[in-house]
Amino acid sequence: AQSVTQLDSQVPVFEEAPVELRCNYSSSVSVYLFWYVQYPNQGLQLLLKYLSGSTLVKGINGFEAEFNKSQTSFHLRKPSVHISDTAEYFCAVSEDFGNEKLTFGTGTRLTIIP
Amino acid sequence: GAVVSQHPSWVICKSGTSVKIECRSLDFQATTMFWYRQFPKQSLMLMATSNEGSKATYEQGVEKDKFLINHASLTLSTLTVTSAHPEDSSFYICRGTSGEMQYFGPGTRLTVT
Repeated sequence: AQSVTQLDSQVPVFEEAPVELRCNYSSSVSVYLFWYVQYPNQGLQLLLKYLSGSTLVKGINGFEAEFNKSQTSFHLRKPSVHISDTAEYFCAVSEDFGNEKLTFGTGTRLTIIP
Repeated sequence: GAVVSQHPSWVICKSGTSVKIECRSLDFQATTMFWYRQFPKQSLMLMATSNEGSKATYEQGVEKDKFLINHASLTLSTLTVTSAHPEDSSFYICRGTSGEMQYFGPGTRLTVT
């Protein structure tokens, strides 16, 4: 069985500062990894995904994540955050290339402080 | 662009009554619909998967007779919580997929009193 751990439930960051949201996973097979963002009153949107190839994945809105197989991590980073990045961020893992069955983490609420 | 909407966005009902949640896809035909439930401070938990025109497949521990899912068309899926009880109070989210495309609904908050 697969699982996802997001250790930080809330992360406050000053505007224009860098941020890292942590995600660790466990699985007995190869996995595909995803980060989603949920803005208030909206559905989850795909930020980025790792399927194969380069371990550094770039997504929308200036976010990127690095897949580290030895540490079973897929941390999300942004070098300089903006007020509009305030949202809930979910890490997810799938053992299926078609991302049919996703296992989600509990989410991290990112709050940008002006 | 394509989007998935849910209605209602929030609902309060009395214990023992039934509640229907609609999930509609706009400019997008969802061949598969996933229904999730999220309790406070917990992750989204998959409840069931349905393909258009077929019966839903429920995850272990989810009562199919209590959570009725209908996916009669490529643009509409419904989740009916029958004889709701306070422990069913949760945030319900649908996700429509078609190939690599996927869109989440904004969720429905159900409170059972």
